[in-house]
Amino acid sequence: DGGITQSPKYLFRKEGQNVTLSCEQNLNHDAMYWYRQDPGQGLRLIYYSQIVNDFQKGDIAEGYSVSREKKESFPLTVTSAQKNPTAFYLCASSMITVGNTIYFGEGSWLTVV
Amino acid sequence: KQEVTQIPAALSVPEGENLVLNCSFTDSAIYNLQWFRQDPGKGLTSLLLIQSSQREQTSGRLNASLDKSSGRSTLYIAASQPGDSATYLCAVTGGRDDKIIFGKGTRLHILP
Repeated sequence: DGGITQSPKYLFRKEGQNVTLSCEQNLNHDAMYWYRQDPGQGLRLIYYSQIVNDFQKGDIAEGYSVSREKKESFPLTVTSAQKNPTAFYLCASSMITVGNTIYFGEGSWLTVV
Repeated sequence: KQEVTQIPAALSVPEGENLVLNCSFTDSAIYNLQWFRQDPGKGLTSLLLIQSSQREQTSGRLNASLDKSSGRSTLYIAASQPGDSATYLCAVTGGRDDKIIFGKGTRLHILP
């Protein structure tokens, strides 16, 4: 089935560690996005990419890094520089940046212990 | 800067009632508006997409309207069911910064 796969579903990180969240899509979408969702809050954009080997910072990029080496993959690394990383992370994709439906993965829960 | 507001933040209604969820945005220069459903601990599922040139979209018991000039959209749910209980988010694409901006959502609870 076509869709977006995020892994792991749950992840625990010790302070000072970097962790990487995986996002894979088989929808042949050009654009991919990472959002962060905190309880009772809307989604905030971390990074987005419209094409392979290119990506742009969103509203809250500090403490995060991404890569886009393949069209179908857009991993997110949460670095130790992110001061409050505990959150629900959502990956999404769409055909182009604007005008088309955006599809979401099932999300990854990251908890700092 | 585009801002998207959803009121109320939470809503409880008895099963079978028709209901309306509201979404407002500050910059009317949008490409489209989407309504999503989110179940607890899950990702977002797209319900309806309205292009800026359209006034409404319908899917089953759902009807979404768009009034760009007033910066408003509504999601109408007919004959509500307990399975409709979820958080509903709206998002607009476009505006001066050409981004997808989400509201904080309305948490809907349908009482059996």
